[in-house]
Amino acid sequence: GQQLNQSPQSMFIQEGEDVSMNCTSSSIFNTWLWYKQDPGEGPVLLIALYKAGELTSNGRLTAQFGITRKDSFLNISASIPSDVGIYFCAGQLKSNSGYALNFGKGTSLLVTP
Amino acid sequence: GEEVAQTPKHLVRGEGQKAKLYCAPIKGHSYVFWYQQVLKNEFKFLISFQNENVFDETGMPKERFSAKCLPNSPCSLEIQATKLEDSAVYFCASSLLGTGGLEQYFGPGTRLTVT
Repeated sequence: GQQLNQSPQSMFIQEGEDVSMNCTSSSIFNTWLWYKQDPGEGPVLLIALYKAGELTSNGRLTAQFGITRKDSFLNISASIPSDVGIYFCAGQLKSNSGYALNFGKGTSLLVTP
Repeated sequence: GEEVAQTPKHLVRGEGQKAKLYCAPIKGHSYVFWYQQVLKNEFKFLISFQNENVFDETGMPKERFSAKCLPNSPCSLEIQATKLEDSAVYFCASSLLGTGGLEQYFGPGTRLTVT
């Protein structure tokens, strides 16, 4: 699979603060997806991006598909305690061989009240 | 159903024993994916299906791993002669082909512990 670099590795913030995390790749992707994983659970899809330059929101979450198609970022505004979890970016190459997701290593978010 | 279902939740096997994991995709989804999540949160793609046909098996360790998706049955991932390094959480995801790509929806996972 392709290597994705996700940063930061972890974040420790106060409730109400905004958060930003990003992912970069050496390869061009056709799709970027952002997931959140809680302990003992499967990843939950937050946002899907399909076009270079696309900016998409889902409530307090905003994500963008980079112009170069090699990067994406996720912003969380006005964080709340339930935002705690691990956030993963995933890039997808659309090819004849399949649609396997290539994941970043995750950003662990801790929010203090 | 409306969610991807995986069974069992936990599975413990002695080294060398067989392990079999099951996945029921979301009703109407024609793609099924299997991923392995090991320590440090790393996800590794194993295999995907389009209906009952293997779509991409580039991630499968072919010596001991096999998978099937048969009509009217849950999909399965089987590991023959498990090894310690097979200990991981195995996730199944399903998808419906959209206009731009595949949004994959994950199940809760099966935690396999090989002792």
